[in-house]
Amino acid sequence: EDQVTQSPEALRLQEGESSSLNCSYTVSGLRGLFWYRQDPGKGPEFLFTLYSAGEEKEKERLKATLTKKESFLHITAPKPEDSATYLCAVQSSSSNTGKLIFGQGTTLQVKP
Amino acid sequence: DTAVSQTPKYLVTQMGNDKSIKCEQNLGHDTMYWYKQDSKKFLKIMFSYNNKELIINETVPNRFSPKSPDKAHLNLHINSLELGDSAVYFCASRHLLAAQETQYFGPGTRLLVL
Repeated sequence: EDQVTQSPEALRLQEGESSSLNCSYTVSGLRGLFWYRQDPGKGPEFLFTLYSAGEEKEKERLKATLTKKESFLHITAPKPEDSATYLCAVQSSSSNTGKLIFGQGTTLQVKP
Repeated sequence: DTAVSQTPKYLVTQMGNDKSIKCEQNLGHDTMYWYKQDSKKFLKIMFSYNNKELIINETVPNRFSPKSPDKAHLNLHINSLELGDSAVYFCASRHLLAAQETQYFGPGTRLLVL
């Protein structure tokens, strides 16, 4: 069964303190791995899609990497405005419906 | 000019009532989805339509019925609402170009069943 596990569930950082969020997955052939950011009371906001092991993508202070078993979202020198829940999802290559299977998210709090 | 919009944003209703949630996307995408997010923020797929055809129908009570009048609209009707239906329901739209994919989510509809 396709599954996504994110760790930690919650993370508190001081402003400027870099860290990484983990997304471990098991899927019957990976079509894509997605990262989203969700602010309280809002819908998930797309960040990245990664397709193959070794791929990396960056956006401002965020960098996503992918291996055959997991993905990391690295946050460099975070700011309070980076506080949000970060969601990881996978898409299996066994289906072309676009179905996303989500992890439970990591809630990040960055203190000034 | 919101890309994916949902109405209503909040819905408070009594057990046993029937209610509908509407979703519209102005992105020209062919595929739309309904997801349910529970109190622990876990997002789970419910349904998907591609150009008015149902392509995903997860294990969801048959009190839930999606309808897509055209590819820009996807509605969700819920009969005989139960306490456990309280959640946030998100609509999403799929952008697929040369195997590069993005899914855009709406702002959500917060349903509270009393």
